[in-house]
Amino acid sequence: GQSLEQPSEVTAVEGAIVQINCTYQTSGFYGLSWYQQHDGGAPTFLSYNALDGLEETGRFSSFLSRSDSYGYLLLQELQMKDSASYFCAVRDLNQAGTALIFGKGTTLSVSS
Amino acid sequence: GAVVSQHPSWVICKSGTSVKIECRSLDFQATTMFWYRQFPKQSLMLMATSNEGSKATYEQGVEKDKFLINHASLTLSTLTVTSAHPEDSSFYICSARVTGGSYEQYFGPGTRLTVT
Repeated sequence: GQSLEQPSEVTAVEGAIVQINCTYQTSGFYGLSWYQQHDGGAPTFLSYNALDGLEETGRFSSFLSRSDSYGYLLLQELQMKDSASYFCAVRDLNQAGTALIFGKGTTLSVSS
Repeated sequence: GAVVSQHPSWVICKSGTSVKIECRSLDFQATTMFWYRQFPKQSLMLMATSNEGSKATYEQGVEKDKFLINHASLTLSTLTVTSAHPEDSSFYICSARVTGGSYEQYFGPGTRLTVT
């Protein structure tokens, strides 16, 4: 089995920096992913960490510590359009192979 | 590349009827596809994994006789919600993995089902 914990809500102002944490428990670990989802839309891939350390992609960065079963998504220079739900996800190995299992999601509200 | 489409994007049906949702990989072959369900303000919950040419593997608590999944080709998987009830109203999202590729999953735009 697996479980992922992340804060339910985060608020910030434009231009600020926000960190969304994710702790996970899995029977096997195949990497930590982050997805963004706007209301009514499909989840879109943001980043993936298989190894410890920081991955940077533009304004977004993601960090992983496998020894701590912990990761975070860092959003810099926040913009109004970043208001969305953010999900961390791990791959779970089941009898069908591996599939992404999502955390409950963090709703980010960016205000001006 | 790696585009996944779903049809329809939204559907309203009466209680007791069945609804079929299609998921297509447009520019790649997908041996494995996944179906997720998402209720408002909640997470994506994996319903089942389908592999082309074989029976789908359902997650615990998902009724296989109610949610029929067919993955008859490398580019098409269908989810049929049989005898739909209002509690089946949800956002259904499919995802596909490139055959022979990495474990990355590409998501469709979702189908919003409303059962009246």
